[in-house]
Amino acid sequence: GQQLNQSPQSMFIQEGEDVSMNCTSSSIFNTWLWYKQEPGEGPVLLIALYKAGELTSNGRLTAQFGITRKDSFLNISASIPSDVGIYFCAKYAGGTSYGKLTFGQGTILTVHP
Amino acid sequence: DVKVTQSSRYLVKRTGEKVFLECVQDMDHENMFWYRQDPGLGLRLIYFSYDVKMKEKGDIPEGYSVSREKKERFSLILESASTNQTSMYLCASTGDRDYEQYFGPGTRLTVT
Repeated sequence: GQQLNQSPQSMFIQEGEDVSMNCTSSSIFNTWLWYKQEPGEGPVLLIALYKAGELTSNGRLTAQFGITRKDSFLNISASIPSDVGIYFCAKYAGGTSYGKLTFGQGTILTVHP
Repeated sequence: DVKVTQSSRYLVKRTGEKVFLECVQDMDHENMFWYRQDPGLGLRLIYFSYDVKMKEKGDIPEGYSVSREKKERFSLILESASTNQTSMYLCASTGDRDYEQYFGPGTRLTVT
């Protein structure tokens, strides 16, 4: 079953607002990932995190790998209409897992101009 | 640029029909995956393949089978489609960075 719990499920915000979403796991993994799915497209990798406490930025996006290695956070600053989409966290076991990922339920982001 | 293509964007089939969903990637990737996406459930792995003719079950394989006869092509088969298989189906592949999956645009399948 689902091993990642992502929240919130959806967010409706005004352009210019900051956004925060998070993901928790029942177990420890070595790599946390954040993907974004735009309407009508498949998900695309935004950020990869490799060690506990790591903070990584990609433009207006900042993600953190929690100290406990069981959670991760994604923040978007000064949102714009093109931030609309579904954001998924995912965890990667590494080793001989052949690239298998476990995805969270997704956070649907709507940005009002 | 990696390109993953899926044979159809939209598909409507009747209950009991055999359905083939095709996925092709052009980057010589070893690993390929089939997911279904449903609201509130995220992406759930159906099957994956790590080499030609090699496959492994994912989290929800019941009612599905797969075929990988060539490295670039991974097919998902619904032997006898049922209404609870109405969903968005996404194909993905990975290359050197195992965790970076490249997704196709998806096929929205409706079974009536």
